[in-house]
Amino acid sequence: EVQLVESGGGVAQPGGSLRLSCAASGFTFTNHWMSWVRQAPGKGLEWVAQIKQDGSQKNYVDSLRGRFTISRDNAKNSVYLQMNSLRVEDTAVYYCARGGPGTWTDWGQGTLLTVSS
Amino acid sequence: QSALTQPASMSGSPGQSITISCTGTTSDFGIYNYVSWYQQHPDKAPKLIIYGVNNRPSGVSNRFSGSKSGDTASLTISGLQAEDEADYYCSSYTSSVTYVFGPGTKVTVL
Repeated sequence: EVQLVESGGGVAQPGGSLRLSCAASGFTFTNHWMSWVRQAPGKGLEWVAQIKQDGSQKNYVDSLRGRFTISRDNAKNSVYLQMNSLRVEDTAVYYCARGGPGTWTDWGQGTLLTVSS
Repeated sequence: QSALTQPASMSGSPGQSITISCTGTTSDFGIYNYVSWYQQHPDKAPKLIIYGVNNRPSGVSNRFSGSKSGDTASLTISGLQAEDEADYYCSSYTSSVTYVFGPGTKVTVL
C-alpha cells in the first residue's frame, strides 16, 4: 500500500523558514517523480513544485520560485520542501503527491502550515 | 487567477449525469493532453479520478469519464450517487513546465 506521510507543518512567523518532509513507503521511490501541492484554507489546489526521480530536474510554480526549494533523499525515501521568507499567504495545507508530470496518483494526508505573527 | 476556468457549482439528482467543464484561457491548453481530474471530499486529500484527458486509474468507477475538445476538457459523472458529492478540480500542464489547477467545482447531489 502506497503511503505518503507529511510532517513539519506548524506555526511560523512571517519572514521565517520551515522545512516540510514527506516519508514515502509501499512503492519503489526511485521510480517516481514527486510533487508538492498546497491548499489555502477554504481555497483551491495550487501546484507548488516537482522533482524528478534522481533529483536532476526540479520545477516550480513561478510565484514561488526562489523562496521554496524541493529536494529528495532516495536513500531515505523522502521528499522535502524548504520554505524561506514565509508570508501570511503561504498558510495552507501542504500535500505531498506521487507522480508527474501532471498526474498525481497518490497523496498524503497533508500538513498544515500557518504563517502568523 | 487560474488559467483554467470551471463552474463554481453544479448539482444533480441521484441517477442523473452531470458534466463539468474546464476551459483553458491560454493557447497552451489546446495543445497538451496532460489534463487530469481530482475529487476531493471535505477535509480529505484529493483523489485522482481521470488522467491524460480520458484515462481512469485502477479502482475508479467507470461512472467517471473525461474528454477534451479544443480548449475545453470535460468530466462527466454518470449515475450520480450521494458519494459523488465533493469538489472536483481539473489540472493541466503549461508550456513553462508547470502545472495549474482549475478553481474547483462543488458538486451537490440533491
